[in-house]
Amino acid sequence: SYVLTQPPSVSVAPGKTARITCGGTNIGRWTVHWYQQKPGQAPVLVIFYDHDRPSGIPERFSGSNSGNTATLTISRVEAGDEADYYCHVWDGDSQQVVFGGGTKVTVL
Amino acid sequence: VQLLESGGGLVQPGGSLRLSCAASGFTFGRYGMTWVRQSPGKGLEWVSTIAGSGPGTYYGDSVKGRFAISRDTPKNTVYLQMNSLRADDTAIYHCVKGGDPVTSSLSYWGQGTLVTVSS
Repeated sequence: SYVLTQPPSVSVAPGKTARITCGGTNIGRWTVHWYQQKPGQAPVLVIFYDHDRPSGIPERFSGSNSGNTATLTISRVEAGDEADYYCHVWDGDSQQVVFGGGTKVTVL
Repeated sequence: VQLLESGGGLVQPGGSLRLSCAASGFTFGRYGMTWVRQSPGKGLEWVSTIAGSGPGTYYGDSVKGRFAISRDTPKNTVYLQMNSLRADDTAIYHCVKGGDPVTSSLSYWGQGTLVTVSS
């Protein structure tokens, strides 16, 4: 089955840039979505179709996808960005939704 | 958009449970609906998706053959029938708007209902 690999944690200082990777074999052939989950809350969609932002999501959130890695980038990080982030693809080969293991972003 | 899950609770191994999700705030019949679960302190695991229209249903390998997803469009409700429950099915089950087409995002998540499988 298809596996998406995320780093367990990323630490970043306020005002700096956080980059969260999602690795998968030839992931660039799939569309990737990203979710933010704060403690005790349901996940929220922050990026869809690789790089599009839902309404209400700040422009500081951006996404890219190419080759074997998709990346969620959070610019000018704020304390409120501290959360777990998950990537998601539909694996057309296995006909399954796959989530990455999640990355905990800590704002120093 | 509102998604209100119900039906969770404590069940013994081997037992059954049916989850419901009442949806409002959007044209229910136009959208796929998905169940995603999260074990305590763990990550997200996809359970099942049902198409907005047509017969399409999809299941994760860990629940295939044991769980069944269905929808009642006039009632704006999606269901998850869970049979042969095991301890590792213990999780919060989120009802989610989206998943049709299957490559699409999961745009809105309910708060979830807790299922505990234990003797």
